[in-house]
Amino acid sequence: EVQLVETGGGLIQPGGSLRLSCAASGLTVSSNYMSWVRQAPGKGLEWVSVIYSDGSTYYADSVKGRFTISRDNSQNTLYLQMNSLRVEDTAVYYCASPDPNRHDYGDYLVYWGQGTLVTVSS
Amino acid sequence: DIVMTQSPDSLAVSLGERATIKCKSSQSVLYTSNNKNYLAWYQQKPGQPPKLLIYWASTRESGVPDRFSGSGSGTDFTLTISSLQAEDVAVYYCQQYYNTPRTFGQGTKLEIK
Repeated sequence: EVQLVETGGGLIQPGGSLRLSCAASGLTVSSNYMSWVRQAPGKGLEWVSVIYSDGSTYYADSVKGRFTISRDNSQNTLYLQMNSLRVEDTAVYYCASPDPNRHDYGDYLVYWGQGTLVTVSS
Repeated sequence: DIVMTQSPDSLAVSLGERATIKCKSSQSVLYTSNNKNYLAWYQQKPGQPPKLLIYWASTRESGVPDRFSGSGSGTDFTLTISSLQAEDVAVYYCQQYYNTPRTFGQGTKLEIK
């Protein structure tokens, strides 16, 4: 059974930094497409970033240059380093992934964590 | 970036009736080399993460009731719930995974009339 567990959220002042973690079980982070998706309070879903198995990374324009996605293969954990945080970054951040057992080259998101809340406020 | 636009923003349907949600992409999400539409539908209930319903525009995820169906190709897609049940009250999102950034529609809130 695949489980994704996000941690690291909290209250942070504008301009501050935070690192989110997503501990995975039941799948291997290094060989899977792993994504971060966020949802501001009462708003819709916003795709944030993805890291592919070859290590290539992509970001939404809204976070490019401020956020960095990475992984620790030994810990089977995905990270999101968030710098220069803004009030508009306030959201629940979800870690999500495709099903590694489907080899259909589609990274539609089958597995989701429960999310971790990041609040950026002074 | 591909912009995904859903309609309507909200919808109220009677129990047992059909619910239809539209999703339009600003450019085609059909990959001609494999004839697949890179379009997924998700359901989100309050306080829960999204749940995958449909992928490749029309393939139902395992365990999803067959009253849910997806259709469309290119830039125009539809999610249909054939006979609305109380547990279908949720917000529904389409998402393209044709290119990056992956983009979601703004969501459609489905309620019981």
